[in-house]
Amino acid sequence: DARVTQTPRHKVTEMGQEVTMRCQPILGHNTVFWYRQTMMQGLELLAYFRNRAPLDDSGMPKDRFSAEMPDATLATLKIQPSEPRDSAVYFCASGGAGESDTQYFGPGTRLTVL
Amino acid sequence: GDSVTQMEGPVTLSEEAFLTINCTYTATGYPSLFWYVQYPGEGLQLLLKATKADDKGSNKGFEATYRKETTSFHLEKGSVQVSDSAVYFCALKVPPGNTDKLIFGTGTRLQVFP
Repeated sequence: DARVTQTPRHKVTEMGQEVTMRCQPILGHNTVFWYRQTMMQGLELLAYFRNRAPLDDSGMPKDRFSAEMPDATLATLKIQPSEPRDSAVYFCASGGAGESDTQYFGPGTRLTVL
Repeated sequence: GDSVTQMEGPVTLSEEAFLTINCTYTATGYPSLFWYVQYPGEGLQLLLKATKADDKGSNKGFEATYRKETTSFHLEKGSVQVSDSAVYFCALKVPPGNTDKLIFGTGTRLQVFP
């Protein structure tokens, strides 16, 4: 049963610290999405990649957030420096070339910045 | 621009009641339409989808029909269970183009009581 995996599942850190979240997309999927979910803003698309190339990162605060795909099996989202307003659940999702309509979500990383 | 509007929640029902969650959309062209469900503590997962007008998507007793004339994709279930308690997201994918993005609604929380 292929799944998207995310690590860590929970992260508590102090303001100003660097945070790195990792995602392993489903093998063979060529699109990867990063979302942020909060009670106030709901689900927001931060960035997405196709074939490891960033296609859209317009939803991401550029001054502190960065997203990369070092290889086809790993996507990273980094926040430096972190701020309390970054507290949220961050989801990674991947999609396959054969069924590009469907996105498969990981379980999320719950980030708390104190 | 393209958008999805869902009814406000929470929707509170007794077990075995009939469920409708309204969803309307605005889009250029002919989008594909989706319902995703998020159970507590989990990521979103695809519930059903429809790719053209008059198509009916169905899964786990849930149904939704793509109505082009009313630009709607309402989710229905004849008899809800406590295990259906979750947040439901309506989404659309813009017509064929160089994007894989989904546009999500704000989500509707369903609470089913025994």
